[in-house]
Amino acid sequence: AQSVAQPEDQVNVAEGNPLTVKCTYSVSGNPYLFWYVQYPNRGLQFLLKYITGDNLVKGSYGFEAEFNKSQTSFHLKKPSALVSDSALYFCAVSLLGSGTYKYIFGTGTRLKVLA
Amino acid sequence: DTAVSQTPKYLVTQMGNDKSIKCEQNLGHDTMYWYKQDSKKFLKIMFSYNNKELIINETVPNRFSPKSPDKAHLNLHINSLELGDSAVYFCASSQDPSEAFFGQGTRLTVV
Repeated sequence: AQSVAQPEDQVNVAEGNPLTVKCTYSVSGNPYLFWYVQYPNRGLQFLLKYITGDNLVKGSYGFEAEFNKSQTSFHLKKPSALVSDSALYFCAVSLLGSGTYKYIFGTGTRLKVLA
Repeated sequence: DTAVSQTPKYLVTQMGNDKSIKCEQNLGHDTMYWYKQDSKKFLKIMFSYNNKELIINETVPNRFSPKSPDKAHLNLHINSLELGDSAVYFCASSQDPSEAFFGQGTRLTVV
């Protein structure tokens, strides 16, 4: 079955420290990969995506992610965390099927940045 | 202007009632979705429409019926509401294969 795994329910990091939120996927073919962020009582907001090309992609708010095909991973990173980065983060893959693309989301990782 | 808007934002209703949630996108996207987010924050796709045509219909009870009058709208009608239907429902749109844009969500509470 095609799936996306986010192995950590919660990640705690001190403000100013680097952060990593992990994501691995198990899909057939070449997926498109995404990261989204959800703040309390809000919808999901797009952060960044990997379609093709450079394995390191940069996105909004200073976030970046590295696509690793051999490890089937797409970890989200930021060099210096801010308290305002505290939110729920979702990794997703987009797969072509039945003539359109279907997004499969991971279970989400809650990021808590401590002041 | 809000790219993907859904109404209402909150919906509290009794078991057995029928209710609808409306969604509109002004991005010109061809594909629209409904997702359900449960109390554990898991996001699960329910339906996907492409140019008004149903493409994806996950294992969702028949009580849930999506309707797309045009490609800018995808409404969700729910019959005979049950306690387990309580969740946050998100509408989204995309122009494949790019990122999806999400609405603010509708928090449905069935009492």
